Amino acid sequence: DAKTTQPPSMDCAEGRAANLPCNHSTISGNEYVYWYRQIHSQGPQYIIHGLKNNETNEMASLIITEDRKSSTLILPHATLRDTAVYYCIVTNNNDMRFGAGTRLTVKP
Amino acid sequence: DSGVTQTPKHLITATGQRVTLRCSPRSGDLSVYWYQQSLDQGLQFLIQYYNGEERAKGNILERFSAQQFPDLHSELNLSSLELGDSALYFCASSCRLSSGDHYEQYFGPGTRLTVT
Repeated sequence: DAKTTQPPSMDCAEGRAANLPCNHSTISGNEYVYWYRQIHSQGPQYIIHGLKNNETNEMASLIITEDRKSSTLILPHATLRDTAVYYCIVTNNNDMRFGAGTRLTVKP
Repeated sequence: DSGVTQTPKHLITATGQRVTLRCSPRSGDLSVYWYQQSLDQGLQFLIQYYNGEERAKGNILERFSAQQFPDLHSELNLSSLELGDSALYFCASSCRLSSGDHYEQYFGPGTRLTVT
């Protein structure tokens, strides 16, 4: 069973920041937060992961609250190619249990 | 291109048959994972192998089995196929070295299985 809760869908205007929330209130101390996305029926693509500090890479930023019960994935300048299903996963052993994710639609 | 290859891309077979899906991980990756994605179940973790040994099991049916060979490629065997086994099957690999390390998984393009 997925340990996360995400909104089923979100829209974002092209060029604006997309902020995707994820609740993981039962996260334990040694569990990481991972984000993946899946474009259409392609294989999921790794985006970012973190434990308790905020993280940033060339794709996105991950903001984890101090109590670690929720996090936000930020795509700073969304493009049409960012339209995908985004999965938030918590795991302590690389065993990825995907939930339903958030379907992000970037609109022109 | 993730560096993970899967064959075949598409497979159509009849109920009751047996098929083998093949996965080649990224060069140097020791861990291989198998996932099933169907319309009604979403992306489900099936099984993980690390350097030839089974490491974790998910929602894998008894009719399904997998193995990882010395050259690190993996095969997923599906037998006594049912209509409900129609799905996308993804393989992923990572360079996980030990249980305490965390590495991203790289997914292949998938094999689309259709059981008629």
